[in-house]
Amino acid sequence: DTAVSQTPKYLVTQMGNDKSIKCEQNLGHDTMYWYKQDSKKFLKIMFSYNNKELIINETVPNRFSPKSPDKAHLNLHINSLELGDSAVYFCASSQDRGGTSLSYEQFFGPGTRLTVL
Amino acid sequence: AQSVTQLDSQVPVFEEAPVELRCNYSSSVSVYLFWYVQYPNQGLQLLLKYLSGSTLVKGINGFEAEFNKSQTSFHLRKPSVHISDTAEYFCAVSDRADSWGKFQFGAGTQVVVTP
Repeated sequence: DTAVSQTPKYLVTQMGNDKSIKCEQNLGHDTMYWYKQDSKKFLKIMFSYNNKELIINETVPNRFSPKSPDKAHLNLHINSLELGDSAVYFCASSQDRGGTSLSYEQFFGPGTRLTVL
Repeated sequence: AQSVTQLDSQVPVFEEAPVELRCNYSSSVSVYLFWYVQYPNQGLQLLLKYLSGSTLVKGINGFEAEFNKSQTSFHLRKPSVHISDTAEYFCAVSDRADSWGKFQFGAGTQVVVTP
């Protein structure tokens, strides 16, 4: 029972191509995130959605477009891939704060390693 | 806005020796604090968190951390490491007032345990 799952795990593609990464969480969380981890392991948040609405949009090239068809899914589409897009992309989810939730932490998927040739 | 500094990029340690990973943060607001571990080729897993109450927090796999508000630190410790503790460790902070729970991560500390 994977809590946060991502597909594919590995993605190798040519420069200029368009690709998508899918993320699903079965935790019933309201908020989902996309992070990029570079070769030095630095984690940078890219986007966050709450109940299908965009709430965080860091300075990411507009070639990256997140889509949330429902609150359990957050997909990442990347147009015109560049060499610098090579990285590991992590999806994460968390419960809204307030209410009865005492969770507060984010739950991470296993990552998608994107290699652009 | 918050920032997180992990003072050591790499910490070599012998098996069964103690280890301490340092994390300092700066913030103009009250924060929640977290430590995550990333084993090779895996996602991030929560080790422990400080939300409120006792400043000494115990987590999984024998790790503990101490929140020091005056020094704005949240250092992670383990009294005796195993080979299996070889991993990347991330400190993270989150604004208490932030409903969406945005995290700011440190740059990570790589722990390499050798026999």
